[in-house]
Amino acid sequence: GENVEQHPSTLSVQEGDSAVIKCTYSDSASNYFPWYKQELGKGPQLIIDIRSNVGEKKDQRIAVTLNKTAKHFSLHITETQPEDSAVYFCAASTGGSYIPTFGRGTSLIVHP
Amino acid sequence: DVKVTQSSRYLVKRTGEKVFLECVQDMDHENMFWYRQDPGLGLRLIYFSYDVKMKEKGDIPEGYSVSREKKERFSLILESASTNQTSMYLCASTQLLGNTIYFGEGSWLTVV
Repeated sequence: GENVEQHPSTLSVQEGDSAVIKCTYSDSASNYFPWYKQELGKGPQLIIDIRSNVGEKKDQRIAVTLNKTAKHFSLHITETQPEDSAVYFCAASTGGSYIPTFGRGTSLIVHP
Repeated sequence: DVKVTQSSRYLVKRTGEKVFLECVQDMDHENMFWYRQDPGLGLRLIYFSYDVKMKEKGDIPEGYSVSREKKERFSLILESASTNQTSMYLCASTQLLGNTIYFGEGSWLTVV
């Protein structure tokens, strides 16, 4: 089955800095890669996703890149703000299976 | 907006008690899931259901069962709660063949 590794487990940055979270996956058939943000006391929410026919996708201060050859994808957050502090999960799934495999999560702390 | 509602946010139960966690979604989604979230272990799939009265085991089904009598409702049952089931439980749903998963706010269960 699919295996998703996520690094780092904890990331501490100063407000205004950039943050990068990386994930690798094992199943070359995976073609959908969502990122979820979980704020304290809440359930995870989708913040951005990318499909295998696209190499990069941006939405304001967040972007996701995908390297299918190397089987890794990354979340980039620019100009971080304290409200970006949360746990971020990456995931991977194939078109034939709607059950994603999640990474173990990254706790992002943005210091004011 | 999709809404996944977990009726019980915080529960304290005694060892050996039978526990019901209820989840309702309002978007007519085919698929529903129960995850367990523990620090450092990420999101682990307990059970999922792709149709009414249908269920499939996830990665950690031991000690749990589920019920899906209506499309919008998916219940997680702990037949005899144990202290190692103290955790945060997340319900989620998604459209058939869709990829975005929508999570509830979570249910914090403490077994004493």
